[in-house]
Amino acid sequence: GAVVSQHPSWVICKSGTSVKIECRSLDFQATTMFWYRQFPKQSLMLMATSNEGSKATYEQGVEKDKFLINHASLTLSTLTVTSAHPEDSSFYICSARFRDRDNEQFFGPGTRLTVL
Amino acid sequence: SQKIEQNSEALNIQEGKTATLTCNYTNYSPAYLQWYRQDPGRGPVFLLLIRENEKEKRKERLKVTFDTTLKQSLFHITASQPADSATYLCALVGDYKLSFGAGTTVTVRA
Repeated sequence: GAVVSQHPSWVICKSGTSVKIECRSLDFQATTMFWYRQFPKQSLMLMATSNEGSKATYEQGVEKDKFLINHASLTLSTLTVTSAHPEDSSFYICSARFRDRDNEQFFGPGTRLTVL
Repeated sequence: SQKIEQNSEALNIQEGKTATLTCNYTNYSPAYLQWYRQDPGRGPVFLLLIRENEKEKRKERLKVTFDTTLKQSLFHITASQPADSATYLCALVGDYKLSFGAGTTVTVRA
């Protein structure tokens, strides 16, 4: 149980376009979802925390107008990278937490974004 | 400033030996600490959680210790196998948020 999926697993786009990444909890309802970014050989950096039906809370230094997060239901959160640039190329990973096991986060497989 | 440091970027060991990884932190007061495994191009997978009032936790061939005085956690893989080759991340938990170290990549040679 506690499976999280992400779609797409990888995406290549042109500079200036927008890309949407989906994160789904497949067999549980997620009270909270988190979005991380990971550059090669670096740690995961938390970008934002989102609760269903409310606005996401962004970490310091993360532009909320550039990284749009929508958490429309208890099983789906989306991250849209707007006007993507090559420096946005990274590995984006979501995770989800649910009420009965709120000590743990369950991670998706990640999405590799390459902006040309 | 807050820091999480994992002892080395890479660790190469012979199959059957014990791998010991270190996680040190500063300017945190975590309620608990977690260890994750991450394979290349994949998201992290939860391994173990240890609370601030626990000294040691075991799960199969894995053992974690947590010393809040030293601000350090040790992660041991005993009787290591080539399938244990991966990057291992420690993460501190505060306000339900995880803060990760950069990870230690373990390679187990057959």
